[in-house]
Amino acid sequence: GAVVSQHPSRVICKSGTSVKIECRSLDFQATTMFWYRQFPKQSLMLMATSNEGSKATYEQGVEKDKFLINHASLTLSTLTVTSAHPEDSSFYICSAPAGALYGYTFGSGTRLTVV
Amino acid sequence: QKEVEQDPGPLSVPEGAIVSLNCTYSNSAFQYFMWYRQYSRKGPELLMYTYSSGNKEDGRFTAQVDKSSKYISLFIRDSQPSDSATYLCAMSEGKLIFGTGTLLAVQP
Repeated sequence: GAVVSQHPSRVICKSGTSVKIECRSLDFQATTMFWYRQFPKQSLMLMATSNEGSKATYEQGVEKDKFLINHASLTLSTLTVTSAHPEDSSFYICSAPAGALYGYTFGSGTRLTVV
Repeated sequence: QKEVEQDPGPLSVPEGAIVSLNCTYSNSAFQYFMWYRQYSRKGPELLMYTYSSGNKEDGRFTAQVDKSSKYISLFIRDSQPSDSATYLCAMSEGKLIFGTGTLLAVQP
């Protein structure tokens, strides 16, 4: 139980285009979704927190107009990287609290490469 | 000062050794403490999850939390080459905050 499905697992896009990453909770309702970015050999850095039905909360230094987050339902949260640039290339991971038994469960991550 | 401090390693041990991984933290509001294992290019997977102070054991893994010292540990007994990965401590009082991760290599 408590699985978060994240897609795509890998995406290569051209500079200036937008990329959407989806995270779905498969067997529980995710009222909150956390979005992280991880650069090579570094830890996960929290970018933003999305809550179903309300605006996302962004961490300091994260551009809300560049990283658009939508949490339209209790099972789906999306992160759109707009006008991507090579410096946005990174590993993006979502996570949702899944109750006392499972703690926070993570998606499998999306490796974004902007060329 | 970072909220969560973790020695990045790398840590190299022979197969069968006992491994000790540690994190310290500064926010006394943290209530939930977790250890995650992350293989290269994969999402983190939950190893241990504890609430407040105390010990928790699961197979070869033991997690300890000492809230008075703001210190948590993960012990791995009889370490195996398949344990080679990055180990991340994480803590929460709402948001989940990660340590930098410790890269562990278990040599056969």
